[in-house]
Amino acid sequence: EAGVAQSPRYKIIEKRQSVAFWCNPISGHATLYWYQQILGQGPKLLIQFQNNGVVDDSQLPKDRFSAERLKGVDSTLKIQPAKLEDSAVYLCASSPHPYQETQYFGPGTRLLVL
Amino acid sequence: KQEVTQIPAALSVPEGENLVLNCSFTDSAIYNLQWFRQDPGKGLTSLLLIQSSQREQTSGRLNASLDKSSGRSTLYIAASQPGDSATYLCAVSQGGSEKLVFGKGTKLTVNP
Repeated sequence: EAGVAQSPRYKIIEKRQSVAFWCNPISGHATLYWYQQILGQGPKLLIQFQNNGVVDDSQLPKDRFSAERLKGVDSTLKIQPAKLEDSAVYLCASSPHPYQETQYFGPGTRLLVL
Repeated sequence: KQEVTQIPAALSVPEGENLVLNCSFTDSAIYNLQWFRQDPGKGLTSLLLIQSSQREQTSGRLNASLDKSSGRSTLYIAASQPGDSATYLCAVSQGGSEKLVFGKGTKLTVNP
């Protein structure tokens, strides 16, 4: 079974530029999560999708971050414009069903904003 | 607001030693607790998941316990090996929500 795929793996941009990350969850997994992990911290949930609907985006900085999950499969996370404090690893995870299930994480995209 | 704390932040042990990693959480109304492993430059791998009604889970040399009333969990690693070197993260999910709240992790180094 293929795992969660993410691209790109690394990205370096200047502040105020825009950037997009892509995630392909494990086939058949209905729930998809985006996390932000700043160096030395645990991951923080940005947004959770159930199929193609948003379940929780309470910690997503909506003035600059946006995410979509078209057709309930792939997802993209966009930052526009980026700030220095957005430098982090962006992790995508998926799970087959809500509750009582572990989440399967992708390798992450490491973003550096200069 | 749920807060998860992991102690120690870093731990270095010789190979073969048994060790315990600690996790505490402020709100005992959790749905489950998970322990993850994170290797440098990689995503997280789930090690053990304990439901709120359970007291412990075991997988190979790993044993995780949960004391929900006191807001504590421990991860016991027996006979540590250099391959166990990684950052170990504890995360809890609240009742009624799948959202995981993570601790900052414990960086474990097992020296040959």
